[in-house]
Amino acid sequence: DADVTQTPRNRITKTGKRIMLECSQTKGHDRMYWYRQDPGLGLRLIYYSFDVKDINKGEISDGYSVSRQAQAKFSLSLESAIPNQTALYFCATSEAPGNEKLFFGSGTQLSVL
Amino acid sequence: AQSVTQPDIHITVSEGASLELRCNYSYGATPYLFWYVQSPGQGLQLLLKYFSGDTLVQGIKGFEAEFKRSQSSFNLRKPSVHWSDAAEYFCAVGAPSEEYGNKLVFGAGTILRVKS
Repeated sequence: DADVTQTPRNRITKTGKRIMLECSQTKGHDRMYWYRQDPGLGLRLIYYSFDVKDINKGEISDGYSVSRQAQAKFSLSLESAIPNQTALYFCATSEAPGNEKLFFGSGTQLSVL
Repeated sequence: AQSVTQPDIHITVSEGASLELRCNYSYGATPYLFWYVQSPGQGLQLLLKYFSGDTLVQGIKGFEAEFKRSQSSFNLRKPSVHWSDAAEYFCAVGAPSEEYGNKLVFGAGTILRVKS
């Protein structure tokens, strides 16, 4: 089983709909991240969480919200999806400072029509 | 804030040929530097990382990278490319401080194609 699991793998939705992307991890890491990937732009950080009570905005948080339900779960929501949020979304985890390696899920391809 | 530039969007090499993928970064001090690889339909996997010490670092799958402070570069190399190396490669930079934690800034990526 994957250490970082994202659901769903693919989602097509319509403009204005609310969407939730879920991420769960079995690595026991405190730190979790949501990135989006767009062709030619690489990965950009949306939100990150250093522990259950700590949520921080990343580079491109507008139009997104997150919930850290438990150490192992970190969900990303699009309150009212718009077409330019069509992208590949990745969840990642890492250990506390001293080991900066990120562990990525397999991604969620979201298409907003 | 740190930034990363990968000048080559696509690179095509022949199987068995050598490979060098370029990465330039901008940061006021010595950053943490990473190379990740993304195979189609997969998440990113860490190839190697540089934190300090020896400027030539070895990674998985036969890859290596060299940190050159004077050129603000961290180029990825492999002596002999295999068809299975076809993927997208991302360079990333991290600021080594508690405040920034593990937030990495990624380059735009370089797509490697391998021809037989």
